[in-house]
Amino acid sequence: GDSVTQMEGPVTLSEEAFLTINCTYTATGYPSLFWYVQYPGEGLQLLLKATKADDKGSNKGFEATYRKETTSFHLEKGSVQVSDSAVYFCALSDPHTGNQFYFGTGTSLTVIP
Amino acid sequence: NAGVTQTPKFRVLKTGQSMTLLCAQDMNHEYMYWYRQDPGMGLRLIHYSVGEGTTAKGEVPDGYNVSRLKKQNFLLGLESAAPSQTSVYFCASSYSLQGMVMNIQYFGAGTRLSVL
Repeated sequence: GDSVTQMEGPVTLSEEAFLTINCTYTATGYPSLFWYVQYPGEGLQLLLKATKADDKGSNKGFEATYRKETTSFHLEKGSVQVSDSAVYFCALSDPHTGNQFYFGTGTSLTVIP
Repeated sequence: NAGVTQTPKFRVLKTGQSMTLLCAQDMNHEYMYWYRQDPGMGLRLIHYSVGEGTTAKGEVPDGYNVSRLKKQNFLLGLESAAPSQTSVYFCASSYSLQGMVMNIQYFGAGTRLSVL
């Protein structure tokens, strides 16, 4: 069945460091891929998405590229800020399963000044 | 613009008690979902609804019931709470366009439930 595997956390970085959070997926069809972010005490918010192979999603300095050949959708940011501290979830939506969402376990990021 | 609103935000129950969590959305979305979030397990789908009057089971439906009597509301019920149901519960909604379900979900802020 469909699933998402993402990098275990927690991750702690200094401000302005480079961020990578790895995500790989398994899907029967051609899924759409997402990164959601959860700030403390809040619900999940869509950060970025990509709907087909080689698409790059980007938002707020974050980027992720849909790599069909490696079934990956790694999240990157060149220079993190303290305000980026949150939990990041990789997810997929597969039209073959009625667009049901499958979420990874989440990666907690803490950025220290 | 409220979006998705969940009530209550916090609740403590004793084993065997019942309660209902309410999710309300003001975006006229057809699709609504209930998830639970547990440490190290991400979000798991409990039940979902593709329209008013319809519901379906997700990945972890046991111990929960749902109802969608009005399009804007999706209720999650626990008939006899158990400690294993201690979790954070999230409601989400999404919409369709020209018959295709749009694969972006909008989430509420969550309900933190403890069952003692």
